[in-house]
Amino acid sequence: DQQVKQNSPSLSVQEGRISILNCDYTNSMFDYFLWYKKYPAEGPTFLISISSIKDKNEDGRFTVFLNKSAKHLSLHIVPSQPGDSAVYFCAASALTNAGKSTFGDGTTLTVKP
Amino acid sequence: NAGVMQNPRHLVRRRGQEARLRCSPMKGHSHVYWYRQLPEEGLKFMVYLQKENIIDESGMPKERFSAEFPKEGPSILRIQQVVRGDSAAYFCASSPGLEGNQPQHFGDGTRLSIL
Repeated sequence: DQQVKQNSPSLSVQEGRISILNCDYTNSMFDYFLWYKKYPAEGPTFLISISSIKDKNEDGRFTVFLNKSAKHLSLHIVPSQPGDSAVYFCAASALTNAGKSTFGDGTTLTVKP
Repeated sequence: NAGVMQNPRHLVRRRGQEARLRCSPMKGHSHVYWYRQLPEEGLKFMVYLQKENIIDESGMPKERFSAEFPKEGPSILRIQQVVRGDSAAYFCASSPGLEGNQPQHFGDGTRLSIL
């Protein structure tokens, strides 16, 4: 039973346009959500996060939206740049679960020049 | 830049041998997590450790796998009698504390290949 799902394995967008990466979860106990970015042959790096008490968090070109009733979150990147091409992982954690994060399978974003 | 250090970066073993993967957390971090990534899949949680304690090993296979984080030295993920299915990228992450709002810092992984 996969508790965090990223249903789109890949996404391709044109440079300058918006990239929208989606993530769904099933466990209502999750109270913190994070996005990580991963380049080939490197470890994931933290990108942006959101607490379950909020519905939006913005950091420069990156915005994460959380819809708790739908158990859905999304990462918006605007404008997209070729350097954003990477695998993006959605992760969720629960304070009651000692900080353990549950990851989705990732979405490969390709930004075309 | 004292990030999370994993070594070796690549490890090749024959079936039946032992594999030892090492992870040194970021300075000041006392929580270590191990994840496994199979080809075309996401990161799967294996184990969460603090110094000298295993906190959560719910993702560890019941046999052949073990992990430790001694008082001194790096965390070790040990795989005994490796099989072809153990071929994967193994990532270590660290964080300073328990709070779920603290992102984990990852190393660049160890790519384990079983011949």
